[in-house]
Amino acid sequence: DTGVSQDPRHKITKRGQNVTFRCDPISEHNRLYWYRQTLGQGPEFLTYFQNEAQLEKSRLLSDRFSAERPKGSFSTLEIQRTEQGDSAMYLCASSLTPNSPLHFGNGTRLTVT
Amino acid sequence: AQSVTQLDSQVPVFEEAPVELRCNYSSSVSVYLFWYVQYPNQGLQLLLKYLSGSTLVESINGFEAEFNKSQTSFHLRKPSVHISDTAEYFCAVSEAGAQGGSEKLVFGKGTKLTVNP
Repeated sequence: DTGVSQDPRHKITKRGQNVTFRCDPISEHNRLYWYRQTLGQGPEFLTYFQNEAQLEKSRLLSDRFSAERPKGSFSTLEIQRTEQGDSAMYLCASSLTPNSPLHFGNGTRLTVT
Repeated sequence: AQSVTQLDSQVPVFEEAPVELRCNYSSSVSVYLFWYVQYPNQGLQLLLKYLSGSTLVESINGFEAEFNKSQTSFHLRKPSVHISDTAEYFCAVSEAGAQGGSEKLVFGKGTKLTVNP
């Protein structure tokens, strides 16, 4: 069990640029979640996958955001035309079953200048 | 929809003192309740959870939480804290259901516990 891995750890980008983050879940976990955490707030649910199927998306996930999990293993989260309000920690988590605990990665901190 | 209120953003205590971190939730349906902990420079980790059964749940490192349905609370307690307990603690809720569990967790804003020598 190598844990949930997220890459990169930090990303600084200019407003208007596109960014992509990667998450590698624990290998046998079929559920994968994306959360966003801003300063002083708890994590907020963005979306989740069961295998390659994206089952739910939060209204927080605007049209500029897209998430994929093409082969049911790693996932990517892309933000197009970044805005300063997108600055946050983006967290990925995975779980084996619905009732099992979430295992979180260390997150990708995005700063939009 | 569910919501979670953590009443204290910061709690400073001295080592070996007792501590209580408060969590209240709001939901129109049955819920599952969780406490996650985030140590400095680490990811969130599950501390304990309530799904059903006994309303008092315990963690391996001495924390406990009690589900109180009438008061819609799930306060976290430890009778004697250590410096190593310094971390941010998040209370979370999800809708109980046939599949249940960890999907779509709704988190509180967190409580920073600082244990001083």
